[in-house]
Amino acid sequence: GNSVTQMEGPVTLSEEAFLTINCTYTATGYPSLFWYVQYPGEGLQLLLKATKADDKGSNKGFEATYRKETTSFHLEKGSVQVSDSAVYFCALLYSSASKIIFGSGTRLSIRP
Amino acid sequence: DSGVTQTPKHLITATGQRVTLRCSPRSGDLSVYWYQQSLDQGLQFLIQYYNGEERAKGNILERFSAQQFPDLHSELNLSSLELGDSALYFCASSPLGDRGWDEQFFGPGTRLTVL
Repeated sequence: GNSVTQMEGPVTLSEEAFLTINCTYTATGYPSLFWYVQYPGEGLQLLLKATKADDKGSNKGFEATYRKETTSFHLEKGSVQVSDSAVYFCALLYSSASKIIFGSGTRLSIRP
Repeated sequence: DSGVTQTPKHLITATGQRVTLRCSPRSGDLSVYWYQQSLDQGLQFLIQYYNGEERAKGNILERFSAQQFPDLHSELNLSSLELGDSALYFCASSPLGDRGWDEQFFGPGTRLTVL
């Protein structure tokens, strides 16, 4: 079946470090891929998305590229800030079936 | 502030009971989505309503039901509650229907504790 696998957290980095949060998926066909962020005590916010292979989603300095050959959608940021501390969720969506599947989430903590 | 409101913020109840969670979408948004976030199951999509009609169904249990009213607010009803139903329940709204996944605004959630 369809599934999303994220790297286990928590991930702790120093401010200005480079961030990678791995996400791989298993799916048939051509799903859309998303990254959501959940700040402490809040609901989710859509961070970025990609709808087809080789698309790059970007927002607030974060980027992720839809790699069909490796079935991956890794989240990257060149220089993290304390304010990036949150839980990040990778998700897969089949629009035709209106089914969205989330990864387990990765907690990110940034040290000043 | 996303503009989506959920009540109550916290709810504590006992096994076997029934509760109703309420969601008011952003002004003008026609779609409402319900999600469950628990330690065991992670984050799961439950159900979507669009302009009063069910549009998509996810992993919603038969003990759970939802509806969207003419004023567009939505209620999620959980019955015969079990310990495993303890979770954070989020509502999200979108101005879009089928493409609403691209533009969702999440509420702060209702934390349900079943004792």
